[in-house]
Amino acid sequence: SFVLTQPPSVSVAPGQTARLTCGGHIFGRRSVHWYQQKPGQAPVLVVYDDSDRPSGIPERFSGSNSGNTATLTITRVAVEDEAVYSCQVWDTTGDHPVFGGGTKLTVL
Amino acid sequence: EVQLLESGGGLVQPGGSLRLSCVASGFTFRDFAMGWVRQAPGQGLEWVSAISGSGGGTYYADSVKGRFTISRDNSKNMLFLQLHSLRAEDRAVYFCAKSPQGGWYGSEFFDSWGPGTLVAVSS
Repeated sequence: SFVLTQPPSVSVAPGQTARLTCGGHIFGRRSVHWYQQKPGQAPVLVVYDDSDRPSGIPERFSGSNSGNTATLTITRVAVEDEAVYSCQVWDTTGDHPVFGGGTKLTVL
Repeated sequence: EVQLLESGGGLVQPGGSLRLSCVASGFTFRDFAMGWVRQAPGQGLEWVSAISGSGGGTYYADSVKGRFTISRDNSKNMLFLQLHSLRAEDRAVYFCAKSPQGGWYGSEFFDSWGPGTLVAVSS
């Protein structure tokens, strides 16, 4: 089964830039998607197909995918961005989505 | 606005059964594949099952195959997940989620999620 590796936690000060990584074998050939999940709430799609944003998601959220690592970048981090961010790819072998373990972003 | 709302969770004994429901609104339900994703306490997201927009295709994670059954009623905009032979490791919040496509293969991601319903398995 495909494995996605995310650091458990990242801390950043308000107004700074947060870079959250997601590692996986032969990533460059798979689209990566990112979800934001606040405590007790449903996940929200913030980036899809590596770098596209759904409507309503601020431009501060951007994504990239190169080599074996995908990155979700949040510029001008705000307190309300504090959440767990999970990456996801489609496992073409099993034909189902696979999620990373999630990174808790703490805004200090 | 897309809205998804799950119900049916609760406490059940090991080996027991539950039926989860999800009511959808704000989009043409029959045009989109739907799925269930669960999250055990303090853990990451795990895909459980999915169904094509027409209901003709159903798909399961190996961990639940043979025990869970997904279905949908497009006339009522409802999605269901029947859970049988529940185990302690099935304890989780179960989310209903919408695919951006009608077919499951290549759906790639979920663009809307419900708030979830908690399934607890304990004697």
